[in-house]
Amino acid sequence: LAKTTQPISMDSYEGQEVNITCSHNNIATNDYITWYQQFPSQGPRFIIQGYKTKVTNEVASLFIPADRKSSTLSLPRVSLSDTAVYYCLVGARNTPLVFGKGTRLSVIA
Amino acid sequence: ETGVTQTPRHLVMGMTNKKSLKCEQHLGHNAMYWYKQSAKKPLELMFVYNFKEQTENNSVPSRFSPECPNSSHLFLHLHTLQPEDSALYLCASSQSGNPNYGYTFGSGTRLTVV
Repeated sequence: LAKTTQPISMDSYEGQEVNITCSHNNIATNDYITWYQQFPSQGPRFIIQGYKTKVTNEVASLFIPADRKSSTLSLPRVSLSDTAVYYCLVGARNTPLVFGKGTRLSVIA
Repeated sequence: ETGVTQTPRHLVMGMTNKKSLKCEQHLGHNAMYWYKQSAKKPLELMFVYNFKEQTENNSVPSRFSPECPNSSHLFLHLHTLQPEDSALYLCASSQSGNPNYGYTFGSGTRLTVV
């Protein structure tokens, strides 16, 4: 399984765009990149998944460069309710998810 | 409500007790998982079930015993636990072959072993 590296924590003010970058230098051809969000004492929630280029949904955008060795989760105009831990996961479909430590995002008023 | 329901939400048990955690998914998924999340640690994968068959056991101590009677229900039977087993236990489900929406997690059972 490809190992991921992401910042331990980030702070942002409300209304700003937040970009969380994840490094996955040994990503394999069959691997997809998936991001999850977790609030305290709750299970993680799927945010977005991509393979290459850019993916956008109603919650976030995911930018993946051509070499796929990193990815960036972009959260537009964050609010206090976006304070959570964000996990970047890399793996082939149909393989169990293995979580790292994630990035703790704190949104400040 | 995420479509994956875990009961109970909170559980306190002594080291000599036997208890069970229950997970039920209403999403028609065919894979289910148990994860453990200890304080300040990443989620740890414990067990994987595909089509009711256990396909992965991540070196979990035998005091944790999973059971998957059908594709909608998953249990985790607990006996003679240790205080270090206190954690948030999360159940998740997914659809093999169509993971476009990833895993759906339940809200977890907060277990305290005294």
